[in-house]
Amino acid sequence: EVQLVESGGGLVQPGRSLRLSCTASGFTLGDFAMSWFRQAPGKGLEWVGFIRSKAYGVTTEYAASVKGRFTISRDDSKSIAYLQMNSLKTEDTAVYYCTRVTNCGGDCYGDYWGQGTLVTVSS
Amino acid sequence: DIVMTQSPDSLAVSLGERATINCKSSQSVLYSSNNKNYLAWYQQKPGQPPKLLVFWASTRESGVPDRFSGSGSGTDFTLTISSLQAEDVAVYYCHQYYSTPQTFGQGTKVEIK
Repeated sequence: EVQLVESGGGLVQPGRSLRLSCTASGFTLGDFAMSWFRQAPGKGLEWVGFIRSKAYGVTTEYAASVKGRFTISRDDSKSIAYLQMNSLKTEDTAVYYCTRVTNCGGDCYGDYWGQGTLVTVSS
Repeated sequence: DIVMTQSPDSLAVSLGERATINCKSSQSVLYSSNNKNYLAWYQQKPGQPPKLLVFWASTRESGVPDRFSGSGSGTDFTLTISSLQAEDVAVYYCHQYYSTPQTFGQGTKVEIK
């Protein structure tokens, strides 16, 4: 059974950093791209970025709102994807979800989602 | 960026009746080389992560009841729930993965009348 479990969320002050982890099980992480999405309280879904698999060069793409502040990485040997968030702003407050990106030969949709982890940026 | 606009923002439908949600993209999400529309639909219930319902605009995800169907091409898409059940109360989102940044519609809240 495919499972994704996010961890690392919590309360953090503006300007500080936080690293989220997404632990995968039930499939070989290295075979898939992984995406991060977020959802501010009471709001809609926002794509944060993704990291492609080794077969596609482990390249990354980011939303403009987080580019230069957030970094997505992966450790396929541990089956974990990461979201490093630096210079956090109050508007980064959201539930963060990781998803497995289905294999379609390119950049695709998320077929499995984790339960999410809440990040609250506040002084 | 491709802007996704859903309509309506909310709708109330009687049990057993049809619910129709529309999604319009600001530019085509049809990839000509493979003739696929890079459009998915998700269902989100309160306190839960989104659940994939439809991908490639009209392919139902495994395990999704057949009362859910997706249609459309290019810039105009529709998610139809043919016979609304109580467990279908949720917010529904369309999502384009044609280009980055990937974007979502604002969501449509479906309730029971």
